[in-house]
Amino acid sequence: NAGVTQTPKFQVLKTGQSMTLQCAQDMNHNSMYWYRQDPGMGLRLIYYSASEGTTDKGEVPNGYNVSRLNKREFSLRLESAAPSQTSVYFCASSGDRGFIYEQYFGPGTRLTVT
Amino acid sequence: GNSVTQMEGPVTLSEEAFLTINCTYTATGYPSLFWYVQYPGEGLQLLLKATKADDKGSNKGFEATYRKETTSFHLEKGSVQVSDSAVYFCALSGDRGSTLGRLYFGRGTQLTVWP
Repeated sequence: NAGVTQTPKFQVLKTGQSMTLQCAQDMNHNSMYWYRQDPGMGLRLIYYSASEGTTDKGEVPNGYNVSRLNKREFSLRLESAAPSQTSVYFCASSGDRGFIYEQYFGPGTRLTVT
Repeated sequence: GNSVTQMEGPVTLSEEAFLTINCTYTATGYPSLFWYVQYPGEGLQLLLKATKADDKGSNKGFEATYRKETTSFHLEKGSVQVSDSAVYFCALSGDRGSTLGRLYFGRGTQLTVWP
């Protein structure tokens, strides 16, 4: 039982390049999330998916797109990377326990855009 | 709207000292409250939770009580260890009927414990 896995762990991009961050969970969770973490800012929600086939914008969606490929996988794409997107990106998932939504986090992807 | 305010860090303590990290929130309805911990180089892990007013969450010697009257969920530990050094995040979930599963995080408090 791996929980939430993310690839890659580290990435360096040049401004304007594109890339996709991959996330998968093996807990049969319905909901998945993408966050970014910046110093002093806590975690900010980029996009989320409440169930397979649905996605919604969070607080900071500009410059990103997502795909909920199936129940297990939720990818985040940067079409044209900018230095402001240098951050640590976390994927998370949560299941249904009544109304108590505990989120389980992946180890993160550390992205630097030069 | 929903928001969480945590005390700013960093917090530096000696081993066996008492820890309090303050957290207050603004929310509509009846959210659940959480404390997450992030060790260096890792993702966040759930530390404890409380789902209704006056509930006390506890785990690994840490405790927090859901106080609706003061809209607070302060984290406490009676005797910290070096291994408790980490960043601690307070979070709340949306109310029933809101966007399911979404969490709202505070900015995090860095704790360093010296031997």
